[in-house]
Amino acid sequence: ETGVTQTPRHLVMGMTNKKSLKCEQHLGHNAMYWYKQSAKKPLELMFVYSLEERVENNSVPSRFSPECPNSSHLFLHLHTLQPEDSALYLCASSQTGGTYNSPLHFGNGTRLTVT
Amino acid sequence: AQSVTQLGSHVSVSEGALVLLRCNYSSSVPPYLFWYVQYPNQGLQLLLKYTSAATLVKGINGFEAEFKKSETSFHLTKPSAHMSDAAEYFCAVSDPQTGNQFYFGTGTSLTVIP
Repeated sequence: ETGVTQTPRHLVMGMTNKKSLKCEQHLGHNAMYWYKQSAKKPLELMFVYSLEERVENNSVPSRFSPECPNSSHLFLHLHTLQPEDSALYLCASSQTGGTYNSPLHFGNGTRLTVT
Repeated sequence: AQSVTQLGSHVSVSEGALVLLRCNYSSSVPPYLFWYVQYPNQGLQLLLKYTSAATLVKGINGFEAEFKKSETSFHLTKPSAHMSDAAEYFCAVSDPQTGNQFYFGTGTSLTVIP
């Protein structure tokens, strides 16, 4: 496997369910990100982890809970979601620090539908 | 503070015609600039990047972009559109000093007419 891999590709869940999104990067990067992409809206940055420390949390509701156990893996735990949380959730990674910071490399996303 | 403005949320061109997608940025420091493409139900794929080297940057699939500091612009062009170019295009900026802050435009949807 190369690049950034997200599973599952599609997820349908009820408002009372608990589920997790998984992201794995095989690029040796030291930063990982969660973005939310909704129809007709700009890309929304949710969380940033750099060297496994959370460095950004853009006022995301507590029903979204990220976890970064190591520099290659990132999870997004979901519970008691609302229908408006239905969106494409994108994971990305990059290499930061030093004299050059790499672009973001994205996975193919998880299409989440909350019923 | 960084921000990106993409003029035109929808652009239509005929097959074989010039593609021009506009991006203007606002940055307090010389930024890094990127163009991404997104096909339906996929993630964003890097087309090209500007990182303070040559101002004319060539990317994949025949696309290129020119960094113009005086105009704070980074427009994306392709001389001849193909049907396969139909997709959503995003301009992004990052601050080289912080490294992990990326700001995206709202995207431009490109339609190619046969």
